[in-house]
Amino acid sequence: DSGVTQTPKHLITATGQRVTLRCSPRSGDLSVYWYQQSLDQGLQFLIQYYNGEERAKGNILERFSAQQFPDLHSELNLSSLELGDSALYFCASSVGSGRGDEQFFGPGTRLTVL
Amino acid sequence: QQQVKQSPQSLIVQKGGISIINCAYENTAFDYFPWYQQFPGKGPALLIAIRPDVSEKKEGRFTISFNKSAKQFSLHIMDSQPGDSATYFCAARGGSEKLVFGKGTKLTVNP
Repeated sequence: DSGVTQTPKHLITATGQRVTLRCSPRSGDLSVYWYQQSLDQGLQFLIQYYNGEERAKGNILERFSAQQFPDLHSELNLSSLELGDSALYFCASSVGSGRGDEQFFGPGTRLTVL
Repeated sequence: QQQVKQSPQSLIVQKGGISIINCAYENTAFDYFPWYQQFPGKGPALLIAIRPDVSEKKEGRFTISFNKSAKQFSLHIMDSQPGDSATYFCAARGGSEKLVFGKGTKLTVNP
């Protein structure tokens, strides 16, 4: 158990809908990262927050947004969902934002868009 | 553009054998190369990592070999066990906190 928690574990929804995925980092970790894992694209970095501020952005669609709250938990919002958004979404956390920090991954949320 | 190329896509090894997974990169700014292990239904977990100032790092049965001039690094699993059956990802990071992952290798170790 990495200490990173994600809810829900599974999510099934329809095209056009909006969902929110939640992540609680390990105690003491200030950085939260979001990744998307699909069969064809592999693990893709979406976005990173450090202590409430956006730190780095990857291949995140404009329909997706994230935030990190004062208690350091983070939410990833996915809107106008398309079939291709079906994937595993992982959250990871690290102590700081430095390049030497190990990232600990949560168990993921499996999103199915029908 | 895939910045880290990983091969093979899948690998079947007999118990006790050596599993070898290779990765290649282009970006010379990368300076941290971790390997992650992922079991079905779980998130990736850091297995072992190396920085380019060393050519090899060993932790138990797991060894990373790093060739800076060739821009290649590999994971060797000695005495492979059925419990090692998982998907392995190489990754690289440099210049930012962003990790770039290879596409993964599904390892099956037969008893």
